[in-house]
Amino acid sequence: AQKVTQAQTEISVVEKEDVTLDCVYETRDTTYYLFWYKQPPSGELVFLIRRNSFDEQNEISGRYSWNFQKSTSSFNFTITASQVVDSAVYFCALSEFGANNLFFGTGTRLTVIP
Amino acid sequence: EAQVTQNPRYLITVTGKKLTVTCSQNMNHEYMSWYRQDPGLGLRQIYYSMNVEVTDKGDVPEGYKVSRKEKRNFPLILESPSPNQTSLYFCASSFRLDRDPWTEAFFGQGTRLTVV
Repeated sequence: AQKVTQAQTEISVVEKEDVTLDCVYETRDTTYYLFWYKQPPSGELVFLIRRNSFDEQNEISGRYSWNFQKSTSSFNFTITASQVVDSAVYFCALSEFGANNLFFGTGTRLTVIP
Repeated sequence: EAQVTQNPRYLITVTGKKLTVTCSQNMNHEYMSWYRQDPGLGLRQIYYSMNVEVTDKGDVPEGYKVSRKEKRNFPLILESPSPNQTSLYFCASSFRLDRDPWTEAFFGQGTRLTVV
């Protein structure tokens, strides 16, 4: 069975601070995909990244970076020099290859205080 | 522009009054799915469709129906809505999941439904 745990329900940081959002997953498959989505106050879901289980390279995109560690079943997301526009709910998700579902964690609400 | 369009965006209805939330995609995606989002529970899958005339239950299908008569449309039907179906609903679409899953997964803007 697949499971995604985002233990941090809410995080508040002051603007320009770095923040890491944790994601721990469970799966019995060797082939799977991990995702992060952003949900701003307007409500839509914004795709941030997809990572497959065979690619453990960390990724950096501007102020965003992702650390994928199979040894600890974690796929953590770091925002460097946070900005007010980063305030949103962030979801981590998992899909096993061949599954018909994208399985979401419960989300982490990030508030960046100016 | 590639997109998934849901309508309506907001809906308030009364218990028992049948309603349909429409979902349409313009990317020729085979796969479509409905999710509901509730506080503390994340998003949970209601129904999905692998292609035209092929639908199946997700994790929380009770009280919902779907149909897939055309590739681009995947409406969600609540035959007798109840207050526990008050939620934020998302439609999603993607190319075939048995190829490169979710590489181009798109979500609609969401439909906020309130059942009183």
